[in-house]
Amino acid sequence: GENVEQHPSTLSVQEGDSAVIKCTYSDSASNYFPWYKQELGKRPQLIIDIRSNVGEKKDQRIAVTLNKTAKHFSLHITETQPEDSAVYFCAASSTGNQFYFGTGTSLTVIP
Amino acid sequence: DTGVSQDPRHKITKRGQNVTFRCDPISEHNRLYWYRQTLGQGPEFLTYFQNEAQLEKSRLLSDRFSAERPKGSFSTLEIQRTEQGDSAMYLCASSLPPGKDWIFGPGTRLTVL
Repeated sequence: GENVEQHPSTLSVQEGDSAVIKCTYSDSASNYFPWYKQELGKRPQLIIDIRSNVGEKKDQRIAVTLNKTAKHFSLHITETQPEDSAVYFCAASSTGNQFYFGTGTSLTVIP
Repeated sequence: DTGVSQDPRHKITKRGQNVTFRCDPISEHNRLYWYRQTLGQGPEFLTYFQNEAQLEKSRLLSDRFSAERPKGSFSTLEIQRTEQGDSAMYLCASSLPPGKDWIFGPGTRLTVL
């Protein structure tokens, strides 16, 4: 099965700086890569996703890049704000049904 | 409806008891998923339904776990003879095929004493 690794496990940045979270996957059949933000005690919420036919996708301060050859994808958050503080999960799927999640990155934005 | 709902939101039970959780998906979503999330980990796939058919089950879903979606609308997840290791957040999600517009519910937090 698929194995998704996520780094770093914790990340602290100053407000206004950028944050980058990286994930690798093992199954070359994976073709859909969503990122979720989970605040304490709340459900994971989709913040951005990318399909394997695209190398980069951007939505305001958030961007995701995908390198299919190297089997890694990254989340980039620019101009970080305190409300960006949360746990972020990457995931990979080849079917759109069974998602394999990373172990999460706890992001703290220091005002 | 405005989203995926789950009931109860919290459940505390004693080891050995049976528990049942309910998930109501977004009405037009014909795919429904159950995931489990333990503290500090990402969600892990348990099973999914397309309409009333259970199409895939994880090896994590031991014989003490059973899920149903009898009319292709709401789903139930039952855990028999609960163990302390079953303590987790049980997340339901729904989507349109093929995994479009995936949305998680708020989860049911299970604590087994």
